[in-house]
Amino acid sequence: DTGVSQDPRHKITKRGQNVTFRCDPISEHNRLYWYRQTLGQGPEFLTYFQNEAQLEKSRLLSDRFSAERPKGSFSTLEIQRTEQGDSAMYLCASSPEPQGKKLFFGSGTQLSVL
Amino acid sequence: GESVGLHLPTLSVQEGDNSIINCAYSNSASDYFIWYKQESGKGPQFIIDIRSNMDKRQGQRVTVLLNKTVKHLSLQIAATQPGDSAVYFCAEKSGNTGKLIFGQGTTLQVKP
Repeated sequence: DTGVSQDPRHKITKRGQNVTFRCDPISEHNRLYWYRQTLGQGPEFLTYFQNEAQLEKSRLLSDRFSAERPKGSFSTLEIQRTEQGDSAMYLCASSPEPQGKKLFFGSGTQLSVL
Repeated sequence: GESVGLHLPTLSVQEGDNSIINCAYSNSASDYFIWYKQESGKGPQFIIDIRSNMDKRQGQRVTVLLNKTVKHLSLQIAATQPGDSAVYFCAEKSGNTGKLIFGQGTTLQVKP
């Protein structure tokens, strides 16, 4: 499968714990995006990378969230001191084009904070 | 079948009929508008896009219409099939920002 891969698919954690998600984009895509989606809503932009450079972060992204893409390939999204409001589907996408309008999404990581 | 107003959560159509899904966007400066389809348990999948200087664009069984005067976007699906059942999101993009702004989705249910 050469699509966008996310791991894990599901994560259950207790409030206050740290969690880390991984995304492997389509190999030739230099843009990588993180979105968050809650039930019944459209995806909400978090951040994006061009190669290893993080070019934009949403103002909604608190200091507890950090994303990296150290070698311009896979990316990780870490949430520190999780809160119940962090429960959501975390989607990763990649794109081969500079306009970034055609995104290829992974199946997401479903986070549940108890 | 057609969704009306700013947002209708669910649109139910008979297999073989045409579907029209509507979307109102917010930013008059947006230069691209895109439709995505999301099936249960999967991430959104790109369907079709349209640039702001166009009024209409056609794909395979799908047509997107853009009315900038009233900031309205629609997706028409011809001969709707059971495999079209999903949630459909419109999204907009402006300038050099990397982010897409997604609207609230419309669930399309296709009755056999």
